[in-house]
Amino acid sequence: KAGVTQTPRYLIKTRGQQVTLSCSPISGHRSVSWYQQTPGQGLQFLFEYFSETQRNKGNFPGRFSGRQFSNSRSEMNVSTLELGDSALYLCASSQSGLAPETQYFGPGTRLLVL
Amino acid sequence: SQQGEEDPQALSIQEGENATMNCSYKTSINNLQWYRQNSGRGLVHLILIRSNEREKHSGRLRVTLDTSKKSSSLLITASRAADTASYFCATAGFLGETSGSRLTFGEGTQLTVNP
Repeated sequence: KAGVTQTPRYLIKTRGQQVTLSCSPISGHRSVSWYQQTPGQGLQFLFEYFSETQRNKGNFPGRFSGRQFSNSRSEMNVSTLELGDSALYLCASSQSGLAPETQYFGPGTRLLVL
Repeated sequence: SQQGEEDPQALSIQEGENATMNCSYKTSINNLQWYRQNSGRGLVHLILIRSNEREKHSGRLRVTLDTSKKSSSLLITASRAADTASYFCATAGFLGETSGSRLTFGEGTQLTVNP
């Protein structure tokens, strides 16, 4: 099976712009989660989608949003970008998102906000 | 916020030696997972240990879990230069049946294996 894929791999944006990142889960996986990784805050959970519904949400402002499509692919959007949004954004997929279950991560999208 | 801490933050060893990394967490968990990350790339899943398990092996990896101390350790035996990476522990808690997807990560240990 193909692994989790994320596009684009690299992005450069300027403050105030918005960005959309895409994640395709492993075939058959219905749960997709998003994480932000920064040197200062480490790896932090953003949100999780299952069957096109947001099921869990982390402590991020409303500028961070996401959605999931019927084929389980997911997108996350960040509006009004700030310098602090520069990070590696990782998505992970699993079959159902129910513990205990392994989360499989994609290669990430590295976002740089200037 | 991070669930806990990993110790040490950095570890440098020679090829062939064993590497031990420790992870502590704060709340009750359903399971604990270890991941490897090379140079800011994606996370590679190494092993999952459930809260009712005490030890688990996978190849050169040995993971222990002590829920009374809220701690876990990852042992890599006979290390290789290719093991050089950051290692993270992540916990999944009991927040209802949908909690499995919400992992809380430690700060990571940077392992360097010198040839």
